[in-house]
Amino acid sequence: QSVLTQPPSVSGAPGQRVTISCTGSSSNIGAGYDVHWYQQLPGTAPKLLIYGKSNRPSGVPDRFSGSKSGTSASLAISGLQAEDEAEYYCQSYDSSLSGYVFGTGTKVTVL
Amino acid sequence: EVQLLESGGGLVQPGGSLRLPCAASGFTFSSYAMSWVRQAPGKGLEWVSAISGSGGSTYYADSVKGRFTISRDNSKNTLYLQMNSLRAEDTAVYYCAKFPRVVVAADAFDIWGQGTMVTVSS
Repeated sequence: QSVLTQPPSVSGAPGQRVTISCTGSSSNIGAGYDVHWYQQLPGTAPKLLIYGKSNRPSGVPDRFSGSKSGTSASLAISGLQAEDEAEYYCQSYDSSLSGYVFGTGTKVTVL
Repeated sequence: EVQLLESGGGLVQPGGSLRLPCAASGFTFSSYAMSWVRQAPGKGLEWVSAISGSGGSTYYADSVKGRFTISRDNSKNTLYLQMNSLRAEDTAVYYCAKFPRVVVAADAFDIWGQGTMVTVSS
């Protein structure tokens, strides 16, 4: 099962700001490992959205931002748009498991 | 354009074997570590295995250790996943993914393939 916990769903009206939390532990996020975020549109492969300290790959709008504190991290989407409806996953590294761990996933719905 | 293309998926009986290739293009393949990530139907993402750019270092999730083998042929720009002793719980879409560095480190997966479906069932 997933080591990182996310809320199953979040929703917001167009133009609003939503945040997705990602809760880990002292062996992953709390150990200082970076948290990365992926967007998965229905029926497609995941796409890197945010890496490291809120860095965005080329082409990702600056409406998306990431932050980290203690054993948790968050993804914020400002100016929510219909095209942002997707599943979002956080990811980090876990020293106890000696491997990569993903969050449980959050479905974002634009009302 | 950077591209990863998986193939080799299909239906296999429990206890059977399957090899998944992932063809890479658009970048210097040997300069980057690579990984496999899977997603069971309707479920989340699960990391499976990783390999350094040279192929000299390999890593596995506990769920597949001893049954799966990751390898690469840098002369053919191809990553492989050999899957043996397959179980029903291995049923998933298997994605190959690229790391941003030659070594396997606590990085993000910056490029993903489109995935190939593996179904383990009698």
